[in-house]
Amino acid sequence: DAGVIQSPRHEVTEMGQEVTLRCKPISGHNSLFWYRQTMMRGLELLIYFNNNVPIDDSGMPEDRFSAKMPNASFSTLKIQPSEPRDSAVYFCASSFTETFYTFGSGTRLTVV
Amino acid sequence: AQSVAQPEDQVNVAEGNPLTVKCTYSVSGNPYLFWYVQYPNRGLQFLLKYITGDNLVKGSYGFEAEFNKSQTSFHLKKPSALVSDSALYFCAVRDTGTASKLTFGTGTRLQVTL
Repeated sequence: DAGVIQSPRHEVTEMGQEVTLRCKPISGHNSLFWYRQTMMRGLELLIYFNNNVPIDDSGMPEDRFSAKMPNASFSTLKIQPSEPRDSAVYFCASSFTETFYTFGSGTRLTVV
Repeated sequence: AQSVAQPEDQVNVAEGNPLTVKCTYSVSGNPYLFWYVQYPNRGLQFLLKYITGDNLVKGSYGFEAEFNKSQTSFHLKKPSALVSDSALYFCAVRDTGTASKLTFGTGTRLQVTL
């Protein structure tokens, strides 16, 4: 199993541009989570899906952020327009039980 | 609401000495507790978890953690530290009375020196 796959690994973009982060969960996992890691705020849960349905998006910082899961094998996190304060490492994780979570390697986003 | 506290930003230990990384939690129901480790420029790797049963949980790389319900703690321990254990350690909790989300602590950087 290749684990949770995130792309791109690194993204540098200019303020105001649209950014799309991608995640492929482990096959058979039915829950997917998007986290953001910053020095100031640590690891924050942005949104999570269960069986492709968004369950809790209370962590999404503002309307500029949106996430979709069109099928069980793919999810996107989109920021439009991006701002420098969005610079962070974004992690995707998936689980098949409620007691085991696997994380991807993350996408390091830099907005200049 | 569920929360996790890791009171130490950094723990320094000499190689060969025992190490402890502290974690306390707050949940309204019963907790599921986890420890993850993060090496530089890498994702989070699972170390161990407490779900139910024996309060002493053994995990990867010789790490263990003890669940203490009365003190609401889940400290990570290792009898003999290695330089290669140097990394960022995260404690996480999930309240069994709520949905699936994990809440993480702020992380503790472990520095093991020769």
